[in-house]
Amino acid sequence: EAQVTQNPRYLITVTGKKLTVTCSQNMNHEYMSWYRQDPGLGLRQIYYSMNVEVTDKGDVPEGYKVSRKEKRNFPLILESPSPNQTSLYFCASSTQEGTEAFFGQGTRLTVV
Amino acid sequence: GESVGLHLPTLSVQEGDNSIINCAYSNSASDYFIWYKQESGKGPQFIIDIRSNMDKRQGQRVTVLLNKTVKHLSLQIAATQPGDSAVYFCAENRRTGRRALTFGSGTRLQVQP
Repeated sequence: EAQVTQNPRYLITVTGKKLTVTCSQNMNHEYMSWYRQDPGLGLRQIYYSMNVEVTDKGDVPEGYKVSRKEKRNFPLILESPSPNQTSLYFCASSTQEGTEAFFGQGTRLTVV
Repeated sequence: GESVGLHLPTLSVQEGDNSIINCAYSNSASDYFIWYKQESGKGPQFIIDIRSNMDKRQGQRVTVLLNKTVKHLSLQIAATQPGDSAVYFCAENRRTGRRALTFGSGTRLQVQP
C-alpha cells in the first residue's frame, strides 16, 4: 500500500529539548515536504526536498531543520523547540514539486 | 495580496443532496489546482486536480469547475454521504518561481442524516 508514515503521532515536550519527527514514504517519490497546520492559517510549508541531499526552505523554516540522506526518509528536526512550534505537522511526498498527492497521518506536537 | 481562500467556513447539507464547495484565488499565474479532503485525525487526502487549460474535470461523484475569468474554483460532490463529512480545501500551484502549493484554510462539510 502506498503510504507516507510519520512518527510519533503525538508528542508533548518541553522547551529546548531537541526532537525529531520521522517521515518515510514507500513510493520512490523524489519530492518530499513538511507542513504545519494551524487554525485559520491552513497548511504552510516548512521545508522541502527535491531529491536526496537537496533540501530548501519553505515559507516558515525558522526553528526547523531537515535532512534527506535517503530517498524514502525526510526527518524534521527541532533543535530547540519553543511553544510557538506547537502545531499539527504533516509530511507529504509526490513525484514532483507542487503536486503533493500523499500526506502522512500527522504529528500533533505540544511544546510546554 | 495573493491568496487562496474559501467563501464559507462551514457547509451543512442533507444526505443525498449535492454539495458545492467554493474557492477563490487571486494569483493569475496559478496553472494547477488540487482539492483535498481532510477527515478528523487524518492527513489531507487528494481528491481531484485540474489544470488551467481545462474548465471542468470529473471524478467519481466529484466534479471540479474552474472559472479563470473570475478566478474561482468549485468542488461539486454528488449525492453527498455521511462519509463525505470532512474539511475540504483547495490548493494552487504557481506557474512562476517556486512551484510550491499554496493552501486555502478550508471549508467544513457537515452531512446531516
